Order: sequence, then C-alpha cells, then structure tokens
Amino acid sequence: AQSVAQPEDQVNVAEGNPLTVKCTYSVSGNPYLFWYVQYPNRGLQFLLKYITGDNLVKGSYGFEAEFNKSQTSFHLKKPSALVSDSALYFCAVRDDYKLSFGAGTTVTVRA
Amino acid sequence: GAGVSQSPSNKVTEKGKDVELRCDPISGHTALYWYRQSLGQGLEFLIYFQGNSAPDKSGLPSDRFSAERTGGSVSTLTIQRTQQEDSAVYLCASSLYGQTYGYTFGSGTRLTVV
Repeated sequence: AQSVAQPEDQVNVAEGNPLTVKCTYSVSGNPYLFWYVQYPNRGLQFLLKYITGDNLVKGSYGFEAEFNKSQTSFHLKKPSALVSDSALYFCAVRDDYKLSFGAGTTVTVRA
Repeated sequence: GAGVSQSPSNKVTEKGKDVELRCDPISGHTALYWYRQSLGQGLEFLIYFQGNSAPDKSGLPSDRFSAERTGGSVSTLTIQRTQQEDSAVYLCASSLYGQTYGYTFGSGTRLTVV
C-alpha cells in the first residue's frame, strides 16, 4: 500500500519567515501526491498536487511543494508565512482509487 | 451544486440512538468517499462509491456503520446504536474518476455522542 508520513506534529514560525511542512512517501511505482489544508471548523481544501513533470509544483495561496525522488519527499513550502496560514496541513498519496493521508501537521504563524 | 454539501453540520445524539449523515456531491463527480476525522487523529477512510459499481466498504469500523448512494448522487452514512467512540467529524468528498484527480471535500458533520 502507498503511504505518507508527516514527521512533525507542529510547526511554529514567525510571520514573514519561510514555512516548511515536511512529508515523506512510500510507494511502488510513480507517486501521485497532494497537499490539503484545513482551517478551523472547515473541510479540507486542495492546495496542490504532483502527478508528473516539474519537481517544483505551485499551488494556491502562494504555496509550493518540491518533489524529491531520491529523498522520497514532498515538502510544502511558502517563502513568507502569514498569520492566516495557521491551520492543519495534510499530505496525501493516491493509493489505488483513494487517497491515504498523513497524520497532519498543525502550523502556527505568530505575528 | 458548486461544492460538496454535508448536513447536518453538527449533530449531538444520545448513546444508543441511530444517526444519518448526508452528503450531496458535486454534480458530475462519479466517485464519492466518506472519511472520519477523530480528535487529534488523521483521516480514516470509511467507504468509497464509484458509479454503479459495488462500494468498497473495507474501512467501515463495525457493522453498526452503513452507507448508501442513491441514483449515483446523494449519499447517506448511517450509524446505528451510536457509541461515544463514534464522536468525530465525518467528511465526505467527491471526485472525477481517475488516478490523477484529487478530492473536493465538504465541510463535514461534527458528531457528538453523549
């Protein structure tokens, strides 16, 4: 089965600083990778996906993610974090017809 | 509709009662999924519907849980004889069928069993 791992339960950064949320994957074959964000009392919102092509994927709200095959990683990044980026972030991998999610990383951006 | 709609948004029920949760997917999306998000936990897959195919029920935690999808559109997740451990947010998502598509999620139903 395909799976992803998010090694950090929480990430804390100051507003204006770079933000990185880590994700590693374990798959057989080519991975289809996704990032979702969940704001308080809301459903999950799609941020970006990697299917094939360029290793740097750009998504919503200024986020991007870098696919690294040698390190089996798909880290989410934002050059300059905003307080409004505080949320729960999930990495996911396509596992046959369904998505398997990581445990999530809570991001807190302090003013 | 424009998005995935779930109702109710919140449900408080007494232990032992049955509950029904509703999901209205995006029009044209043939795939529909139910996930459960417990406090402090990730997303747990429950069930998957694709068109007229038999659903994949492999994630349902017990026989108290069931789901149906009528006419390839609206889905209902039913929990019988609710227990306190059923308290969670139940998320529905829909998708176009195919490996490259992600999901569109609804806002979820927060179920509290007291």
